Amino acid sequence: AQTVTQSQPEMSVQEAETVTLSCTYDTSENNYYLFWYKQPPSRQMILVIRQEAYKQQNATENRFSVNFQKAAKSFSLKISDSQLGDTAMYFCAFMKQANSGYALNFGKGTSLLVTP
Amino acid sequence: GAVVSQHPSRVICKSGTSVKIECRSLDFQATTMFWYRQFPKQSLMLMATSNEGSKATYEQGVEKDKFLINHASLTLSTLTVTSAHPEDSSFYICSAGEAKADTQYFGPGTRLTVL
Repeated sequence: AQTVTQSQPEMSVQEAETVTLSCTYDTSENNYYLFWYKQPPSRQMILVIRQEAYKQQNATENRFSVNFQKAAKSFSLKISDSQLGDTAMYFCAFMKQANSGYALNFGKGTSLLVTP
Repeated sequence: GAVVSQHPSRVICKSGTSVKIECRSLDFQATTMFWYRQFPKQSLMLMATSNEGSKATYEQGVEKDKFLINHASLTLSTLTVTSAHPEDSSFYICSAGEAKADTQYFGPGTRLTVL
């Protein structure tokens, strides 16, 4: 079974600053996908970024980037130039193989507060 | 992008009644959909995997006779909470993805309150 660990229950960052959310996972799979989802107060799950395990290059989406360390099984999310709208719960998730027929395994989440 | 809808967004029912929640993929076909449950300030917990044209697969500890899942078409899965009790009050979320795609998309969720 795959487990996903987010060790930071809560974090706070000032507007315009940079923050990094950590995530580690455990798996014996070689081909898999990793995701960061954002859940704002509306509770709609929003995909922030995804990383394919076989790609060494770290994924980037505008202000969001990841640091994917496959050997260390680490997948951290960096948010640059934080904005008030980034305030949300952030969930790290693992999907076995590149097939949406597999369920996502979620970490417990990190609550991020962006302050003025 | 792919859109998943859920209906209703909120429902309040009396204890002992049944409630049906619909999950639809609006612009793609989904052979597999997933149902999650989320308690306040907690993560998403997978309840079951809904497979089009076959029986759902339930996670350990989830009562299949209580949470009935039907996936009658490639765009619709339903979750029926039977004989609901206050402890079934929660936020229910579905997700779906196109076959062999690498991303799942989530519905907006349904908040169930059982009085």
